[in-house]
Amino acid sequence: EPEVTQTPSHQVTQMGQEVILRCVPISNHLYFYWYRQILGQKVEFLVSFYNNEISEKSEIFDDQFSVERPDGSNFTLKIRSTKLEDSAMYFCASSEVGRSPYNEQFFGPGTRLTVL
Amino acid sequence: EDKVVQSPLSLVVHEGDTVTLNCSYEVTNFRSLLWYKQEKKAPTFLFMLTSSGIEKKSGRLSSILDKKELFSILNITATQTGDSAVYLCAVDSGGGADGLTFGKGTHLIIQP
Repeated sequence: EPEVTQTPSHQVTQMGQEVILRCVPISNHLYFYWYRQILGQKVEFLVSFYNNEISEKSEIFDDQFSVERPDGSNFTLKIRSTKLEDSAMYFCASSEVGRSPYNEQFFGPGTRLTVL
Repeated sequence: EDKVVQSPLSLVVHEGDTVTLNCSYEVTNFRSLLWYKQEKKAPTFLFMLTSSGIEKKSGRLSSILDKKELFSILNITATQTGDSAVYLCAVDSGGGADGLTFGKGTHLIIQP
């Protein structure tokens, strides 16, 4: 069964460093998303991406974040200068359809980011 | 601001019991409500509900939506230890390519 994959599974970085989290969405999906879940808190939407541009972003997704689809398969989230409070599990998701009543999003296994 | 509230936040039952998990929501432009099961990492999709009163069923799990009262329930019958997980409710209120709003989840523990 097709699935969303993410790498790495765990990333440890120093405060102020840049990190890139990688995702390979399901191949025929057109809409891609990043969410984060701080330990013990709820899953929060960061950004959605369609047709090579950001479709929507939350207030969490500030200027230190960026997303890119560098080739036909990868979808990346870059955090330019990490802060301690960026430590969280980051989930990538994809869906086949977007602007319709149906939005079944499939999630990847997540990348646990630890900022020291 | 869109809001999704789940209850209870945690629940401990014995194997074989039936459980009902609740999700209420307040959103500006409801499209669908989704249930996910989160074990160790990724939320895995269970159900998507768009219409009131139509029960969705998958094995021992079932769910129904009430768009008038703005809530959904997830039922699990004859629970097994493998049902232990966090069950997440999420609402799609933006239409398609927009993010889901999640509740905090219900942490369900099934004791043998």
